[in-house]
Formats: sequence, C-alpha cells, structure tokens
Amino acid sequence: KAGVTQTPRYLIKTRGQQVTLSCSPISGHRSVSWYQQTPGQGLQFLFEYFSETQRNKGNFPGRFSGRQFSNSRSEMNVSTLELGDSALYLCASSLVDQAQYFGPGTRLTVT
Amino acid sequence: AQSVSQHNHHVILSEAASLELGCNYSYGGTVNLFWYVQYPGQHLQLLLKYFSGDPLVKGIKGFEAEFIKSKFSFNLRKPSVQWSDTAEYFCAVDSGGGADGLTFGKGTHLIIQP
Repeated sequence: KAGVTQTPRYLIKTRGQQVTLSCSPISGHRSVSWYQQTPGQGLQFLFEYFSETQRNKGNFPGRFSGRQFSNSRSEMNVSTLELGDSALYLCASSLVDQAQYFGPGTRLTVT
Repeated sequence: AQSVSQHNHHVILSEAASLELGCNYSYGGTVNLFWYVQYPGQHLQLLLKYFSGDPLVKGIKGFEAEFIKSKFSFNLRKPSVQWSDTAEYFCAVDSGGGADGLTFGKGTHLIIQP
C-alpha cells in the first residue's frame, strides 16, 4: 500500500506571498491531519479533517487554513507568509480513531 | 492543554547497551499513546502504539513501551541497541480520538556509537 504523499517536497517563497501544500492520504484513510515542525517549537498540530470537515484546529493564526476533498486528499494554505512560517509541514492520515501515518513533509522556506 | 515531556533531549549509548527513554504526559483522562521515530533523512515512522489492554506494548525493531497510568508515563525500552537505532524519537499523546491531534514531546536524539 502506498504511503502518504506530499507535494511539493521543497518550496521557497517570499514574505507576503501565499502557499498551498498538498497531501494524498493512504488509500482508505479518511482522516488527514497537518502538523508544523520547527527546531524551536517541535511538532505542533495545525488541523484535522475527516469527511471534508475540519474537526479541530490547533493554536495557529487564521492565515493557516485547509480543506479536504471528497477523495480524502487535503490541501493546506498559508497566506501572507512570514519568516517564522519557515518549517517542515507534515501531513498524516489515519483510519477513524487509529494511529496516524506521516508523509515525508514539505520543507517551506520563507525569505 | 495537554503536554508531553521527554526527559532526555540527547542520549549517547554504545552498541548492545540497554535503552530507556522517558515520556510523561499531563492529561488525566483516557489517552492513546505513541512513539514515533525519525531516522536521518527519513520521515516519521510509527514505532508502537497503546490504545487499551495490556500496558506493555511491543513495536517494531525490538522496541517496547510500558504504560503506567498512575505515573502518567509511557517509557520506551529496548534491551540491546544497534548502531541503526540512531534517530530522533518522539513520544505523542492523543486525548481526543484523533480529532484533537497528537501532542508531541520535544524529541530525544539518540546516538549509538559502534
């Protein structure tokens, strides 16, 4: 079974721009979660989607948003990028209330 | 808010030594517990998980962890480490059945010297 895939793997953006990251979950997984990983803050939960509905959101500003499509694929968007948004963005998928499996991440650099 | 504490940020061991990495969490209700590993250049992989039942759970590559509810702990153990176990290890807790997301510890960087 193919794992979680994320595109693009690397991205360089300028302050003030916006970015969209994509995640394809493991086949059959309907729950998709997003996390931000930085050296200072570690791994932090962004939001979780199930059946196209956001069930919960972490403590991030409204510039961070996401959505899930009917095929369970998910996207996250960050608007008005700041230098502090530079991070590894991880997507994880799972069956309902089961363990999460992570993708390789998208490395975002904001200059 | 839930918090997870990993006691050691850096651990250096020799091959064949025994390993125990500490993990404590703050939430007093029902929790699901996980250990993830991130090998150099690779993505996060699930090492083992605890949902319910036997508090001693076994994972991949000879790792095991014990859930002690009274101590809010979920320590990771391996009787004899190998050089290939060099990696970053993360303890994580889920208190909302997935919808609340995982709360991760800061990680332990384990280096195994040959």
